[in-house]
Amino acid sequence: GAVVSQHPSRVICKSGTSVKIECRSLDFQATTMFWYRQFPKQSLMLMATSNEGSKATYEQGVEKDKFLINHASLTLSTLTVTSAHPEDSSFYICSAPRTSGSLAGELFFGEGSRLTVL
Amino acid sequence: AQSVAQPEDQVNVAEGNPLTVKCTYSVSGNPYLFWYVQYPNRGLQFLLKYITGDNLVKGSYGFEAEFNKSQTSFHLKKPSALVSDSALYFCAVRDGTNDYKLSFGAGTTVTVRA
Repeated sequence: GAVVSQHPSRVICKSGTSVKIECRSLDFQATTMFWYRQFPKQSLMLMATSNEGSKATYEQGVEKDKFLINHASLTLSTLTVTSAHPEDSSFYICSAPRTSGSLAGELFFGEGSRLTVL
Repeated sequence: AQSVAQPEDQVNVAEGNPLTVKCTYSVSGNPYLFWYVQYPNRGLQFLLKYITGDNLVKGSYGFEAEFNKSQTSFHLKKPSALVSDSALYFCAVRDGTNDYKLSFGAGTTVTVRA
């Protein structure tokens, strides 16, 4: 099967600092990855689409300068929460679609990263 | 536009009883429908999907779902629930023409009591 890995799984930081979360597709290449945010006991809200080799596409209401996305290679996308504040505390999940092979068309999710801003 | 509604925040069943989690959808094109399960502080695990073909889809862990076009529904079912099925379940939809961008329902918390 396909595996998507996120790191770190948990991070605690002070208000005003920046935090980087990595999302890697371990056994397939992903030109597109998706970043979601999930509040406690709520659904996943799509934040942005990460595109390899070009700028990310952000959903309406998501601050581009606050949530920096870089799709550095075909297997790595990073989300950087800049100048984090307590209201940025959340569970962030990435996903990547497999576009070839027997699992083509399926979306695979990372394990999520819980960010706590003090 | 695409959206999903999960009308029940919570479903409680006794172990061994049938489990149903409801989902209705709205999409402009052909619906691609999915069910995922999430355990605390974990990512989403794929259960099953409907793309085309038979309306009854069988998935992981004994789950199945029935696509009903006239009712725009895709309810998740399991004939005999286990305590280990207790988790948060998400229904999701995307238009078959878009690039994998899913819309999720609000989620349904399933509690199976022993």
